Amino acid sequence: TQLLEQSPQFLSIQEGENLTVYCNSSSVFSSLQWYRQEPGEGPVLLVTVVTGGEVKKLKRLTFQFGDARKDSSLHITAAQPGDTGLYLCAAVNNAGNMLTFGGGTRLMVKP
Amino acid sequence: DSGVTQTPKHLITATGQRVTLRCSPRSGDLSVYWYQQSLDQGLQFLIQYYNGEERAKGNILERFSAQQFPDLHSELNLSSLELGDSALYFCASSVVALGANVLTFGAGSRLTVL
Repeated sequence: TQLLEQSPQFLSIQEGENLTVYCNSSSVFSSLQWYRQEPGEGPVLLVTVVTGGEVKKLKRLTFQFGDARKDSSLHITAAQPGDTGLYLCAAVNNAGNMLTFGGGTRLMVKP
Repeated sequence: DSGVTQTPKHLITATGQRVTLRCSPRSGDLSVYWYQQSLDQGLQFLIQYYNGEERAKGNILERFSAQQFPDLHSELNLSSLELGDSALYFCASSVVALGANVLTFGAGSRLTVL
């Protein structure tokens, strides 16, 4: 059983559509990070959320940390083909030194 | 270029063999992490080193070992290779931001065991 469950596992949409992906757990985390991974490359950090209820925006991407710090969501507005990739959430342990990754959501945005 | 260098980029070998994957962290980063990424299991944490010492251990098999050298580069040794060891192996180095480690990943080493 994954510590972090991401859903959906796969998502294929048309350019211009909106989408939300989720990262859920039964555990409480000190913080949570979102990464994006493109084919042939390593994951790249998008954002770190720390406070329960926190919302962070990165251009068309909106990240939210649940009030109880057990879950998070990533909303993309007006998706573009350049958003295609594997989106990974990662939970940070209380010591701040270990990340546990979810299984990822593989997003494809068609032109 | 993330600043984390991994070699080799691709490696094809046979079952039972041994391979060594190499990682150079970003300049100034003292921590090195190794992760395994396979299609059916996502990104699995293997091991972390900090300034030459093992700091944390994840789901690393006994056939696998790692070390971090005085110049901070790290090597992951995989022995008695099995077909199931075929995967992408990522190294990451870290700095601390917002109270948590922020990982910068290399481009990975793709291992294929035939």
